[in-house]
Amino acid sequence: QKEVEQDPGPLSVPEGAIVSLNCTYSNSAFQYFMWYRQYSRKGPELLMYTYSSGNKEDGRFTAQVDKSSKYISLFIRDSQPSDSATYLCAVGFYGNNRLAFGKGNQVVVIP
Amino acid sequence: GAVVSQHPSWVICKSGTSVKIECRSLDFQATTMFWYRQFPKQSLMLMATSNEGSKATYEQGVEKDKFLINHASLTLSTLTVTSAHPEDSSFYICSARDSRPRGVQETQYFGPGTRLLVL
Repeated sequence: QKEVEQDPGPLSVPEGAIVSLNCTYSNSAFQYFMWYRQYSRKGPELLMYTYSSGNKEDGRFTAQVDKSSKYISLFIRDSQPSDSATYLCAVGFYGNNRLAFGKGNQVVVIP
Repeated sequence: GAVVSQHPSWVICKSGTSVKIECRSLDFQATTMFWYRQFPKQSLMLMATSNEGSKATYEQGVEKDKFLINHASLTLSTLTVTSAHPEDSSFYICSARDSRPRGVQETQYFGPGTRLLVL
């Protein structure tokens, strides 16, 4: 069983729509959760970081964690063409260097 | 702040040659750096953890003699792909963790990646 599952299927949405992305993880011991954004041919950049169940907002982005279901989500409100990228979820343990990444979701926002 | 650079950004080489990729933390010190490999439409696969002043820790299935890692200073780690073959063609990305965390301690800052094509 993979540590993190993320459906990589490309997602196309019209500009202004809400983008909803999800990941599930297998080990309930994971302690912190991240979302990275990766533009084509670039390295990932950190978007959101959280460590507790619930919602965390940062501008148009909301990260949601449900530890009981081992489920994490990222919502992008009022999506813009500049949001077109691949979004990767990642989970980790404190004191451990390793991050486990999902496969990434390719998002295309159509003007 | 928290910028990581990689050099070169892309490289084409002949089969059998060795290729060195540099990863630098520009405005912070990093005792720990990470090397990842990414295939098209796939996630990041951790290859090894690079620790300043000590030997790198390789993930299972990654050949130590094939992928040589040196972390000689707090701002530089290098990955050398020895005797490269076409199957080594990939996108190699490094990341670094700030030794003196200013915010999220576990954050890894990623470089822009190096695209390697072995002919």
